[in-house]
Parts: sequence; C-alpha cells; structure tokens
Amino acid sequence: DGGITQSPKYLFRKEGQNVTLSCEQNLNHDAMYWYRQDPGQGLRLIYYSQIVNDFQKGDIAEGYSVSREKKESFPLTVTSAQKNPTAFYLCASSPSGRGYEQYFGPGTRLTVT
Amino acid sequence: QKEVEQNSGPLSVPEGAIASLNCTYSDRGSQSFFWYRQYSGKSPELIMFIYSNGDKEDGRFTAQLNKASQYVSLLIRDSQPSDSATYLCASRMDSSYKLIFGSGTRLLVRP
Repeated sequence: DGGITQSPKYLFRKEGQNVTLSCEQNLNHDAMYWYRQDPGQGLRLIYYSQIVNDFQKGDIAEGYSVSREKKESFPLTVTSAQKNPTAFYLCASSPSGRGYEQYFGPGTRLTVT
Repeated sequence: QKEVEQNSGPLSVPEGAIASLNCTYSDRGSQSFFWYRQYSGKSPELIMFIYSNGDKEDGRFTAQLNKASQYVSLLIRDSQPSDSATYLCASRMDSSYKLIFGSGTRLLVRP
C-alpha cells in the first residue's frame, strides 16, 4: 500500500521536553511538508523540503527543526523553544509535475502540559 | 501577505441539494487551486485540483475557476450527510511548491 504514515497518533509531553514526530512516505514523492493546525484554524506551514538534504522554513518555523536525510522520511522536532506546541501536526508530500498536489498523512495530535 | 479567503460557515443545505463553496485569493500569480475535505479530527483529503479557467467535473463534484475575478468554487451535487465536513481551499504559485490554505468552510448537510 502506498501512502504517508505518521507516528504516533497521539503524543503527550511535559513542558520543556523536545519531541520528534515521525513522517514516512512510500509514494516516491520528492517534496515533503509539515503543517500545524490549531482548533478551528487553517493549516500553517512549518517547514518544507523539495529534495533530500535540503529544506526551507515555512511561515512558523521558530521552535521547530527538521531533517531530510532520506527521500522517504521527514521527521519534525518540536523543541522546548516552541511557546505553544499543543496542536495537530500534519505531514504531507507531493509529486513533481502536474499540480504539485499535496497528500496528507493521518496526523499526530501533540499535547504538552 | 498572500491570502486565501473562505467564509467559515457553517453552510447548511438539505440532503439532495447543491452545496456551493466559494474561495477568493489575493495573489494574481496563483496558478493552481485545490479543494480538500477534512472530517473532524482527521487529516485533509484532496478532492480536486484545477489550474485552467472554467469548470472541472469529477463525479458529484465540480470545481470552477475564474482567474479574472480571482475566485474558485466547489459545487457538490446531490449533497449527502456524509459530505458534512470542513472544506479547505488552497492556492499555489507557479514558481513554488508551497500551498496557501484558507481557513475552511464548514458544510452541514441536513438529512
């Protein structure tokens, strides 16, 4: 089955701890993205990567970090510097060509207390 | 700031009716447009994308694009209660991989 997987589905952390969210795709897509969604809000772009070993900051990158060492994987670390980390985190990927349409994973709901 | 605007709703329609969802965008450089459906607590699911002026049909869904007026719409024919969800509109500039999302319109289909 081709698709995008995110783990875990739910994650609970104490304030001050770093946490890494996993995102894997086997669609052979070049580009991958991380978004954050807060209740009743649209999607806000955190980071994106068009090719391996390269990534760019999105609109709200502060307090987050990423790596892209493999085409299939794009993990997101939420650091203790992120002031309001509790949110629904969505990973997406897109193929090159056509409309560059993005396909989303199931998401990780992070709660920090 | 490039923006995509949607009415938050809820838009309430009876079962079997046509639901019309609208979206406007501010950047004339936007080339491609996308409609996603998002059920509560779930991730967005791509319904359609369009990049040429006019209509694009797929089953009960029709996307309409008018670049001169800078709006995109999604029509859902024969609406079903299972269509009740939030619909997100997004745009992409030709030179970019990035999508800009609207905040979504909540659709309620009454049985």
